[in-house]
Amino acid sequence: DQQVKQNSPSLSVQEGRISILNCDYTNSMFDYFLWYKKYPAEGPTFLISISSIKDKNEDGRFTVFLNKSAKHLSLHIVPSQPGDSAVYFCAASGGGSARQLTFGSGTQLTVLP
Amino acid sequence: EAGVAQSPRYKIIEKRQSVAFWCNPISGHATLYWYQQILGQGPKLLIQFQNNGVVDDSQLPKDRFSAERLKGVDSTLKIQPAKLEDSAVYLCASSSLAGAGYEQYFGPGTRLTVT
Repeated sequence: DQQVKQNSPSLSVQEGRISILNCDYTNSMFDYFLWYKKYPAEGPTFLISISSIKDKNEDGRFTVFLNKSAKHLSLHIVPSQPGDSAVYFCAASGGGSARQLTFGSGTQLTVLP
Repeated sequence: EAGVAQSPRYKIIEKRQSVAFWCNPISGHATLYWYQQILGQGPKLLIQFQNNGVVDDSQLPKDRFSAERLKGVDSTLKIQPAKLEDSAVYLCASSSLAGAGYEQYFGPGTRLTVT
């Protein structure tokens, strides 16, 4: 039972254009969402997060949008740079005191020069 | 500030052998996590420690996997005996506390291949 889904395994974007990565979730108890970026042979690194009380959070070139009614979030990268090429994981937490993260399967973003 | 350290980085063993992974979290981080990441999937939590106590090990296959965090700092994850399906990257992460807003910092992982 995949509670967090990233339906696009890969995405290619031209340098300078917008990259949009999507994520869907099924568990209504999730109230905090995160995006992690992962380069080959490295562990995931935290990128940006959003609480369910917000619908948008922005940090430089990265913006995360949350649509709670649709149980959908997206990560926008503008403008995209070749160094952004990596695997992006969506993660969610909520419910219970432990608040573990549930990860999606990831989207490989390739930014073409 | 030093990041999360893991060793070894790579390990190849035959099925039915045993293996152990080591993790040193960021100094002062009370919460430590072990994840299993199978190729093409996202990390899946195996066990979470708060200091030296287990918070959640519901997804740890306890017939073959064990983990400990003595003195609330370093942690080891052991597999005995290994199966082919245990081939994965084992990630260790730590956070200052557990909860929203306390981001998890990941180590580079140990890539295990079981033949």
